[in-house]
Amino acid sequence: EAGVAQSPRYKIIEKRQSVAFWCNPISGHATLYWYQQILGQGPKLLIQFQNNGVVDDSQLPKDRFSAERLKGVDSTLKIQPAKLEDSAVYLCASSHKQGIDGELFFGEGSRLTVL
Amino acid sequence: QQPVQSPQAVILREGEDAVINCSSSKALYSVHWYRQKHGEAPIFLMILLKGGEQKGHDKISASFNEKKQQSSLYLTASQLSYSGTYFCGTERRTSYDKVIFGPGTSLSVIP
Repeated sequence: EAGVAQSPRYKIIEKRQSVAFWCNPISGHATLYWYQQILGQGPKLLIQFQNNGVVDDSQLPKDRFSAERLKGVDSTLKIQPAKLEDSAVYLCASSHKQGIDGELFFGEGSRLTVL
Repeated sequence: QQPVQSPQAVILREGEDAVINCSSSKALYSVHWYRQKHGEAPIFLMILLKGGEQKGHDKISASFNEKKQQSSLYLTASQLSYSGTYFCGTERRTSYDKVIFGPGTSLSVIP
């Protein structure tokens, strides 16, 4: 079974530029998450999708971050314009079921450096 | 809303045991445990549900005290491969569950 795919793995941009990250979840997983992980901290939930609908985006800085999951499969997270404090690893995760089988499967992440 | 983890960091010699704790001020439906090695994605270790169901790892065990909203992860006879940062993730019972992670516990196992 193929895992969660993310790209790019690394991105370096200057502040005020824009960047987009792509995620393809495990086939059949209805729930998709984007987390932001700043060095030395735990993953922080940015947005959660159930199929192609947004379930929770309460922690997403909507003035600069946007995300979509067209057709309920892959997803894109965009930052425009980027700030220095956006430097982090952006982790995508997917989940098949709730309850005892609700574990999250993570991609390898996209590391963003904003100069 | 973020769960609290303790200790922040621990250093063990091979073969020693460790306990990592996670607590929340909110009523929980489940607790997840993940391990992350430097530069890698978190990997699933355990999930514990309110009511006692659990699914997880052969060599790692955990408990979930529903009354206290606390969970503990038990690492016995530690191996070098256990080194990494351990995160607990908590879910509250809502229509669509979301997993909120704690700040992590850094575990280093030395020979």
